[in-house]
Amino acid sequence: AQTVTQSQPEMSVQEAETVTLSCTYDTSESDYYLFWYKQPPSRQMILVIRQEAYKQQNATENRFSVNFQKAAKSFSLKISDSQLGDAAMYFCAYRRANAGGTSYGKLTFGQGTILTVHP
Amino acid sequence: NAGVTQTPKFQVLKTGQSMTLQCAQDMNHEYMSWYRQDPGMGLRLIHYSVGAGITDQGEVPNGYNVSRSTTEDFPLRLLSAAPSQTSVYFCASSKGQGAGNTIYFGEGSWLTVV
Repeated sequence: AQTVTQSQPEMSVQEAETVTLSCTYDTSESDYYLFWYKQPPSRQMILVIRQEAYKQQNATENRFSVNFQKAAKSFSLKISDSQLGDAAMYFCAYRRANAGGTSYGKLTFGQGTILTVHP
Repeated sequence: NAGVTQTPKFQVLKTGQSMTLQCAQDMNHEYMSWYRQDPGMGLRLIHYSVGAGITDQGEVPNGYNVSRSTTEDFPLRLLSAAPSQTSVYFCASSKGQGAGNTIYFGEGSWLTVV
């Protein structure tokens, strides 16, 4: 079974600074996708960025980028130039790419990291 | 652009009562699923469906039933509510099960069982 671990329950950053959220995962699969979701106080789940495991290049979306280390099974999220609107719970998630089995299609989530942004 | 619509947004139940959380999507997605979110545990899969008439259990299915009579609707039924079912529930859909398919989430349903 796949597991996703976020070891930082809470993180804080000053506005305009950079912060990195950590995520590790465990899987025996070779083909999968990894995601970072943002959940503001409204509880809406917002996709921030995704990474395909077979792509070596790290994904970027504006101020958000990832450091994907497949061999180490690590997938960290870097937020540059942090803004007050970045304050939220952040979830790392995993989804298999290979068809078959009861876990196909399922998103496996980490425990979440609460990010506070100080003005 | 309705996307994934969940109702109700908030509900308080008494222990032993039953209720149905409704979920509807207008994107003709085959894959639909229900998750629950509890503090410190992220979201966990309750049940999922790969198409009309086909449902299966996720990792925490006990106490819940689902059905999928149409492509659009995927209701979640609590048979006899227990305080342990106090949680935030999310319905999600995607075109298919493949990981490359974007998952769309509803806005969540807050359920309190007293």
